Amino acid sequence: EDQVTQSPEALRLQEGESSSLNCSYTVSGLRGLFWYRQDPGKGPEFLFTLYSAGEEKEKERLKATLTKKESFLHITAPKPEDSATYLCAVQQTGANNLFFGTGTRLTVIP
Amino acid sequence: KAGVTQTPRYLIKTRGQQVTLSCSPISGHRSVSWYQQTPGQGLQFLFEYFSETQRNKGNFPGRFSGRQFSNSRSEMNVSTLELGDSALYLCASSLSGVYTFGSGTRLTVV
Repeated sequence: EDQVTQSPEALRLQEGESSSLNCSYTVSGLRGLFWYRQDPGKGPEFLFTLYSAGEEKEKERLKATLTKKESFLHITAPKPEDSATYLCAVQQTGANNLFFGTGTRLTVIP
Repeated sequence: KAGVTQTPRYLIKTRGQQVTLSCSPISGHRSVSWYQQTPGQGLQFLFEYFSETQRNKGNFPGRFSGRQFSNSRSEMNVSTLELGDSALYLCASSLSGVYTFGSGTRLTVV
């Protein structure tokens, strides 16, 4: 059965203090690993899709990496506007749905 | 370009009633998925439709149903509402494996 575990559950950072969020996954055949950002009261906003171990993608202060067992979302010099819940999801080969972790709630303090 | 539109944004219903939620996907997207998001369980997959056919279904009781119309718009229905059905219901449309979410419908069952 698919499993996605995100850690930590919550993270408080000072503005400019870089850190990483972890997503460990178990899936029988990975089609893709997705990262989303969700603000309170809104739907998840797409950030990245990673397809194979070793792949990396960047967007502004965010960089996502993928290994065969986990993915990291690195946040460099975060700003208060980066505060949100970050969700990781996997899609199994042949599946038409995403299986989500429970997210990491990030707070960046000015 | 318009995003995924979900209506209504908020709903309050009484136990035992039924409810219908609507989702208009991004123009050109033929796949529509529905997810339930609760604080305890996170995002859980309900079902996915493509060209008016349900291709995949999550582990929810038969009280949860859906359909898709020829213009790709989708509806989901929950019958005999229970207090535990209170949640944010999210719709996502996809093209080429990128899933775009709407802002959701917040359903409260009292």
